[in-house]
Amino acid sequence: RKEVEQDPGPFNVPEGATVAFNCTYSNSASQSFFWYRQDCRKEPKLLMSVYSSGNEDGRFTAQLNRASQYISLLIRDSKLSDSATYLCVVNYSNDYKLSFGAGTTVTVRA
Amino acid sequence: GEEVAQTPKHLVRGEGQKAKLYCAPIKGHSYVFWYQQVLKNEFKFLISFQNENVFDETGMPKERFSAKCLPNSPCSLEIQATKLEDSAVYFCASSQTGARETQYFGPGTRLLVL
Repeated sequence: RKEVEQDPGPFNVPEGATVAFNCTYSNSASQSFFWYRQDCRKEPKLLMSVYSSGNEDGRFTAQLNRASQYISLLIRDSKLSDSATYLCVVNYSNDYKLSFGAGTTVTVRA
Repeated sequence: GEEVAQTPKHLVRGEGQKAKLYCAPIKGHSYVFWYQQVLKNEFKFLISFQNENVFDETGMPKERFSAKCLPNSPCSLEIQATKLEDSAVYFCASSQTGARETQYFGPGTRLLVL
């Protein structure tokens, strides 16, 4: 079983729509959680960290459910520029290395 | 610098040749990480350093891969006798302290082994 699993998509949505997707992680000792975005095999860029209380950054909302071991990302009012692959990333505090999901592809169309 | 720098951007090698990749972390960051991204977005952790010291090398295929971070020099990842399956994008990332910190990624080196 993979450490971090994501729905690969693709999610094809019109501009202005809301899109949401989850990822699950297998190691309950996971300590830190992130959403990164990656464009066309360029470097991953941090979108947001995910906190236990949930957090919001503009049109993006992330939630963490430790009991069920899943993380979600919701994008409101989608823009064309939101088209990317969204990587769910988990960190275990003992060794600092990141474990990546395979990514969820989102395409926003005009 | 303010960004993680990686060189070269692209590298083409014939099977069996050596490949050497370089990474300069963000100034002031103590931790350096190397990841390999193959097809379908699968990232694999290779090795991490705390300053010049190997911190975690559990992901390294030790037979052919080696890495160093020496003082006042870019970090390096070297692959001896490359194989076709080494074709991937190699990303370097750095973080300030390691624990729970955001890792910032360089632009990657695209290695193609023919």
